[in-house]
Amino acid sequence: GAGVSQSPSNKVTEKGKDVELRCDPISGHTALYWYRQSLGQGLEFLIYFQGNSAPDKSGLPSDRFSAERTGGSVSTLTIQRTQQEDSAVYLCASSLVVGFQETQYFGPGTRLLVL
Amino acid sequence: GQNIDQPTEMTATEGAIVQINCTYQTSGFNGLFWYQQHAGEAPTFLSYNVLDGLEEKGRFSSFLSRSKGYSYLLLKELQMKDSASYLCAVREDTDKLIFGTGTRLQVFP
Repeated sequence: GAGVSQSPSNKVTEKGKDVELRCDPISGHTALYWYRQSLGQGLEFLIYFQGNSAPDKSGLPSDRFSAERTGGSVSTLTIQRTQQEDSAVYLCASSLVVGFQETQYFGPGTRLLVL
Repeated sequence: GQNIDQPTEMTATEGAIVQINCTYQTSGFNGLFWYQQHAGEAPTFLSYNVLDGLEEKGRFSSFLSRSKGYSYLLLKELQMKDSASYLCAVREDTDKLIFGTGTRLQVFP
């Protein structure tokens, strides 16, 4: 079946513009994660959606970042008034949780470059 | 405070066994993840432990001791393609994930 998909795969934008990144999780996966990885840096957790529960937004770097997950499926990560330090690869992952077992699948990521 | 510790770099020989340790101090605990990441690629999920004990998946195994705040990833029959970074991450009670800095493993022939 289809894996996690993300769009766009690459995005170049100007400082101050808003961008919207999309993640299509694997069908039936209840959990969805957003991560960020800057060049040469480790993985940074942004936000996690599980079912219909309200997500913990404390991982978002600033109030310019917001994320939604509509209908328990597709998720969008929006960055307002982009800054150069927002340049990174934004990764989405979805997971199937069965009891104490969880298996997570990553999308290919969106490479964002803010000029 | 929150802290995840893992070795920065490790080397091993093809065919050998290597154990990558991860110790953590976090605000609550709701599971520990291991990931593999090759340079320039997205991470790949390896394992998830929330209960104490050993989980085995082929050549890879992951162990967790919640009382000791300790986990390890065990790689057997090492292959050259296992050269990668291995990331340990802990999910706190709030569901926020805290990542270690990763262990870069180099496998030599």
